[in-house]
Amino acid sequence: EAGVAQSPRYKIIEKRQSVAFWCNPISGHATLYWYQQILGQGPKLLIQFQNNGVVDDSQLPKDRFSAERLKGVDSTLKIQPAKLEDSAVYLCASSFFGQGGDEQFFGPGTRLTVL
Amino acid sequence: DAKTTQPNSMESNEEEPVHLPCNHSTISGTDYIHWYRQLPSQGPEYVIHGLTSNVNNRMASLAIAEDRKSSTLILHRATLRDAAVYYCILRDFQGAQKLVFGQGTRLTINP
Repeated sequence: EAGVAQSPRYKIIEKRQSVAFWCNPISGHATLYWYQQILGQGPKLLIQFQNNGVVDDSQLPKDRFSAERLKGVDSTLKIQPAKLEDSAVYLCASSFFGQGGDEQFFGPGTRLTVL
Repeated sequence: DAKTTQPNSMESNEEEPVHLPCNHSTISGTDYIHWYRQLPSQGPEYVIHGLTSNVNNRMASLAIAEDRKSSTLILHRATLRDAAVYYCILRDFQGAQKLVFGQGTRLTINP
């Protein structure tokens, strides 16, 4: 079974530029999550989709971050404009139902460096 | 979200058992106890989860205290590949389904 795919794996940009990350979840998984992991910390949820609807985006900095899930499958996370503090690994995860006992499957992440 | 407390780091030797503790004194009756681990330069991966009873799978065992205020992840025979950050997470099966990660325990395995 193919895992969660993410691209690119690495990205270096200047501050105030924009960047986009792509995620393809495991086939059939209804729930998709984007997490931000700053160096030395645990991942923090940015946004959660159930099919193509947003369930939780309470920690998404909406003035600069946006995300969409096309047709309930692939998802894109965008940052515009980027700040130095956005340097982090962006992790995408998916799960079948999104319920409390559900296992989440994580992708390898995209490491973003903002200079 | 209910919080968990874990030691920042632990060290063990290869082929020996490892017991990783987690305290969760404010756990509610609807919280599952999940364990994930993150190997270097990889995304987190699921290890095990339980509600009330002890659980076993091919990766590890989860021992849950009778009052559910603490739990222990047991790696029966550690290998070098088990060196990772281990996260103990409470997840309400009735409410939001997100994982709230703490700092975790960094496990070092000595050859």
